[in-house]
Formats: sequence, C-alpha cells, structure tokens
Amino acid sequence: AQRVTQPEKLLSVFKGAPVELKCNYSYSGSPELFWYVQYSRQRLQLLLRHISRESIKGFTADLNKGETSFHLKKPFAQEEDSAMYYCALTPSYSGAGSYQLTFGKGTKLSVIP
Amino acid sequence: GAGVSQSPRYKVAKRGQDVALRCDPISGHVSLFWYQQALGQGPEFLTYFQNEAQLDKSGLPSDRFFAERPEGSVSTLKIQRTQQEDSAVYLCASSHKSTSGIFQETQYFGPGTRLLVL
Repeated sequence: AQRVTQPEKLLSVFKGAPVELKCNYSYSGSPELFWYVQYSRQRLQLLLRHISRESIKGFTADLNKGETSFHLKKPFAQEEDSAMYYCALTPSYSGAGSYQLTFGKGTKLSVIP
Repeated sequence: GAGVSQSPRYKVAKRGQDVALRCDPISGHVSLFWYQQALGQGPEFLTYFQNEAQLDKSGLPSDRFFAERPEGSVSTLKIQRTQQEDSAVYLCASSHKSTSGIFQETQYFGPGTRLLVL
C-alpha cells in the first residue's frame, strides 16, 4: 500500500527565513511525487512535480529515493507563501489502472511578517 | 479557458437524504477523478473515469456511493441515505488524456462541494 506522511500539521516561519516542508512516502514501486498548494479560498493546484525538476515561486523539491523523502524547500519565505501544502504520489506507470493521487494530510504554512 | 467546475458549492442534507454532486471537467479532458476530503485530512481517492468508463471505484466507501459519467463529460457523484460520516468536501479533478502512458498528466481540481449531513 502507498502512503504519504507529512509530519508537521502547522509550520510557522518569519518572512525571509528558510522554509522546509517535510514529506516522506512509502511505495513498493517507482512513484511520481507532487506538491499541491491551496491558498485561502482557492482551489487545490499543482505547485511542482519531481519529474519536471522545476523551481516554482522559488520552491524546489528533490526526490531522495534512499530516504523516501520529497521535502519542499524555499530559501526565503514570503507572506504570500502562507497556504496549505499537500504532498502526493502516484505510480509512475499503472498499466490500465488509474493514476489516482495519494495525499498526505497537509501542512499549513504560516509566514509571519 | 474555464477550469473544472462543481455544483452545488455547499449542500446541507438531513441524515437519510439522497444527494447528487455534479462535476464539469475541463473540455476535452479524458480522465476524471473524485476525491473525498474530510476535515483536517488530505483528499482521498474515490473513483476514476476514462471517458464514460468507470475504470476504478476501489475508493468508494460503501454501496451508498455511486458515480456516473454517461457521455464522457459531466460526472455525477450520488450518495444515498446520507450519514453524518459522509460530511466532507468532495473534489473533482480532470486531466488531459488517457492515463495509459508512462507519466500521468496533471490533475486540475475543481473548487469542491462541501457536504454537511445533519
């Protein structure tokens, strides 16, 4: 069975401080990992996916298969980063099956001015 | 263009009542997913459609839950004889093309329907 664990329910940092949102996963095969974000009163939206190796809004995430982690990082937090962040995984290939996302419980990031 | 839309946005039901939740995916999107998000939890998978075919319903919690997508576009999630534990936000997501490739397409989420069962 696949599982995503986000150990922090709430993370508060000061503006300009570094941010790291932790995500660990368990999956027997080769997963694809995502970070989704939900800003206040907005819908869930994709922030980044490990396969793209992009930096979005200053955020990066590196897949560490040895530690089964996909932590989200940003060197300098901004007030507009305050939101709910969800780590999620899906199988890289599931044949005829669905690519359903398995989500963690989420971490609420609060950036203090 | 327009994103995924869902209606109603809020629904209050009395225990035992039947409800129907609608999802309008992005035009041309082949794949459609339903998720349930309880308070303080991440979304959990309910069911998946590829066009009109329901290929995976392994996440539906009971036989009171039923989903359909008869013409491969709009989908309806129906909950019969609602219970208090059904109270949650129901999210719909769609993605561009068949998930038979190597990597999945990005799932785009709707705003959700918040269901409260009294």
